[in-house]
Amino acid sequence: NAGVTQTPKFQVLKTGQSMTLQCAQDMNHEYMSWYRQDPGMGLRLIHYSVGAGITDQGEVPNGYNVSRSTTEDFPLRLLSAAPSQTSVYFCASSYGTGSNQPQHFGDGTRLSIL
Amino acid sequence: GQQLNQSPQSMFIQEGEDVSMNCTSSSIFNTWLWYKQDPGEGPVLLIALYKAGELTSNGRLTAQFGITRKDSFLNISASIPSDVGIYFCAGLLNYGQNFVFGPGTRLSVLP
Repeated sequence: NAGVTQTPKFQVLKTGQSMTLQCAQDMNHEYMSWYRQDPGMGLRLIHYSVGAGITDQGEVPNGYNVSRSTTEDFPLRLLSAAPSQTSVYFCASSYGTGSNQPQHFGDGTRLSIL
Repeated sequence: GQQLNQSPQSMFIQEGEDVSMNCTSSSIFNTWLWYKQDPGEGPVLLIALYKAGELTSNGRLTAQFGITRKDSFLNISASIPSDVGIYFCAGLLNYGQNFVFGPGTRLSVLP
């Protein structure tokens, strides 16, 4: 099993460009989520999904879109990149929906917006 | 949103020393998790705690779910260089909600 796979690992964008961060898991987990990690602030939840076709906003959703057409994939879209979105982005997944099961994390996408 | 505090923010210790760190909140949590993040990688689960007072070990690591349910503690015994990294706590207020993460404790181990 590969676990949670994120692509790309690194990306540099210009302000105003759009892009999609990919996330795939092969553990048949229902719950998937996206976090951003900024220095000294820990992990902040952007969007999450409790199953295919269901998504919801987290703590910092502005400027990001998500969709969940399959159990395996949960892409994160930046519609018009801004320098404030420079960060490290992590995708995670876990069993159950709204359960207390620990999340498994990918290795992250390091995104710089110029 | 709910906040978790972690202390210390960072620590430098000598190889072989024991380490203690904690995670606190003003709210009562139902589940506590401890993760470690190595440079350039994603967080990896170390220990999960589900009951107040619970004490769980994973090798040299021991974590406790505080009896007030507002805090949790992580201890590392006989530290080694590969213990270097950022340690995050995460708490779950209620089932059906999302985990909240602390800001992390950065650990450096000096040879």
